[in-house]
Amino acid sequence: GAVVSQHPSRVICKSGTSVKIECRSLDFQATTMFWYRQFPKKSLMLMATSNEGSKATYEQGVEKDKFLINHASLTLSTLTVTSAHPEDSSFYICSAQGGSLANYGYTFGSGTRLTVV
Amino acid sequence: ELKVEQNPLFLSMQEGKNYTIYCNYSTTSDRLYWYRQDPGKSLESLFVLLSNGAVKQEGRLMASLDTKARLSTLHITAAVHDLSATYFCAVERSNFGNEKLTFGTGTRLTIIP
Repeated sequence: GAVVSQHPSRVICKSGTSVKIECRSLDFQATTMFWYRQFPKKSLMLMATSNEGSKATYEQGVEKDKFLINHASLTLSTLTVTSAHPEDSSFYICSAQGGSLANYGYTFGSGTRLTVV
Repeated sequence: ELKVEQNPLFLSMQEGKNYTIYCNYSTTSDRLYWYRQDPGKSLESLFVLLSNGAVKQEGRLMASLDTKARLSTLHITAAVHDLSATYFCAVERSNFGNEKLTFGTGTRLTIIP
C-alpha cells in the first residue's frame, strides 16, 4: 500500500534556529502534498498545499516566510520552520495525494513533534 | 467557509455498549473521511464515504453519510478497550480542481473496562 515517510519524528531545537521536516512518498508519485499543524488535544489545521514544481498555496493566517515549503520532486516535500520560537512548538503532519485508491488518495506521514526551547 | 463540527467532543463509555459520534458540516462536499488517531501518533484511515446514503462497516465501527442533512455518523457497536482513541471526520472539497480536507473538531473516546 501507499506509504508516506516523514522525518524526523521528533526534534528539539533552540529558539532562533531553523528546522527542516521531510515528507516522502515511498511507492507512489505525489503531485500534491499537504502540511498540517496540530496543537495538543486539538484538530488538524491545514497550513499549506504543496504542488510539485510550483509555489505552495498557504492558508489564511499562515506566514509563508516563516514556514517555507518546497516540493522539488514528485516524491519529496519539505517544510522548513525558520527562526523557530517556542510558539512554533507543535505536531506537524504531512499528507500526500496520489497514493492508495482505498484512501482515495490521502496518505498521512507519521508526524513530527517539534519542540522549540 | 466550510465548518466541520463533531459531537460529542469527549465520550467515555463502558465496554460492551453502543454509541454514535456525529459529524456535521456546513456546505456541500465531495467526500467524507473518518480517521483514528492514537496519542502521539499520526492518522489512520478508517472510512471514505463517497455519496449520499453510503454506509461502510469494519469490525465494530460503521460509518454512514447523509449529504442532504450534511451529516455523517460513526457508530460503535459493543465497544472494546482497543477502540479508545480520538476520531476525526474530514470533509473534502474541490476548489477549482484543488482538493483539500477540512477536519472536524475530533471526538476523544475512552472505553472503560
